[in-house]
Amino acid sequence: SQKIEQNSEALNIQEGKTATLTCNYTNYSPAYLQWYRQDPGRGPVFLLLIRENEKEKRKERLKVTFDTTLKQSLFHITASQPADSATYLCALERGYQKVTFGTGTKLQVIP
Amino acid sequence: DAGVIQSPRHEVTEMGQEVTLRCKPISGHNSLFWYRQTMMRGLELLIYFNNNVPIDDSGMPEDRFSAKMPNASFSTLKIQPSEPRDSAVYFCASSPGQQNTEAFFGQGTRLTVV
Repeated sequence: SQKIEQNSEALNIQEGKTATLTCNYTNYSPAYLQWYRQDPGRGPVFLLLIRENEKEKRKERLKVTFDTTLKQSLFHITASQPADSATYLCALERGYQKVTFGTGTKLQVIP
Repeated sequence: DAGVIQSPRHEVTEMGQEVTLRCKPISGHNSLFWYRQTMMRGLELLIYFNNNVPIDDSGMPEDRFSAKMPNASFSTLKIQPSEPRDSAVYFCASSPGQQNTEAFFGQGTRLTVV
């Protein structure tokens, strides 16, 4: 069955540094991959989508890469700020309109 | 638009009782999703609708769970009878559909079954 792995341990980084989160998957070749942000007590909020034929996508301080050979996506936040502290979820396409979410990585940006 | 609206925000019920969760998707969105989130299992897709029709309910854990979408602006998720292991946060999300697959989530309903 399809398996999605995100680092379950929290990631702590210093303000101003680049945070890099990893999403690995097995047993599937998704047409696209999404990244969401979730704050405590709230629903996930969509950040970026990257398709299988795209290597990289950028949005302001965010950058996502997608390596279909390694079956891995990397999510980068440059010049991180305390306000970036949240849990970040990757989600893989599993068919029309259907995605499977990873369990998320909690990011803590320390001032 | 106010976004996806879920009610109630919190629900505490006794084991064996019926629970109904409600969702109003964003107007104009063609797809609606029900998810359940727990610490152990993360965010799991239970069922999703496209144009009010259930497309995939393979994530519904048991026959105790049922979902309906009588019209484009309303959906319910019902658990009958409820059990303590159903305790979780239930999210509803909607999506414009077609090529735009971004999902917009509601605030969730925190369900506690005692």
